[in-house]
Amino acid sequence: NAGVTQTPKFQVLKTGQSMTLQCAQDMNHEYMSWYRQDPGMGLRLIHYSVGAGITDQGEVPNGYNVSRSTTEDFPLRLLSAAPSQTSVYFCASKGGGNQPQHFGDGTRLSIL
Amino acid sequence: AQKVTQAQTEISVVEKEDVTLDCVYETRDTTYYLFWYKQPPSGELVFLIRRNSFDEQNEISGRYSWNFQKSTSSFNFTITASQVVDSAVYFCALYNAGNMLTFGGGTRLMVKP
Repeated sequence: NAGVTQTPKFQVLKTGQSMTLQCAQDMNHEYMSWYRQDPGMGLRLIHYSVGAGITDQGEVPNGYNVSRSTTEDFPLRLLSAAPSQTSVYFCASKGGGNQPQHFGDGTRLSIL
Repeated sequence: AQKVTQAQTEISVVEKEDVTLDCVYETRDTTYYLFWYKQPPSGELVFLIRRNSFDEQNEISGRYSWNFQKSTSSFNFTITASQVVDSAVYFCALYNAGNMLTFGGGTRLMVKP
């Protein structure tokens, strides 16, 4: 049971570089989302998707793009990385209604 | 906008003590769901409990118990007879009909032997 798989687990970028964080789930969940976790601030929602072809902004969307071409995949793109985007990124998916979200193991991203 | 506040940023207890983690939320929705997640030192997020806004029954699961009080917009979490393995960051979260899950800032619990 793979659940939610995030790749890579660690990444170091230089300011201005682009990067795609991958997220895949094998539970046929319609809802997927991306969060960033910064010290003392909990997790903040970046973007989410309620199904293939549908995405929407969360609390902190600036600097990030997403797309949802399939039910399984929900990649997060940083077009021009900035040091303020140094964080731990979590992808999550869930079934319908009030089901709890299943989280991936996270990607630790450092931008120099 | 909805908001979740966990006023206790860090709590330290000695093993076997009881400890309560506080969570206060704000929302204009009448239907919403509350969650608690645990993040151990290894970093993954583990789901603990879900409660909907129409169910104010308290719940007990082993050493864990939850007290949901709509009148005070609180959803507190108590660990009885704490153990070292309970050391983690605990997050309270609120989910509304707008598909937004809002997390509190987390409470770091340290249980010392």
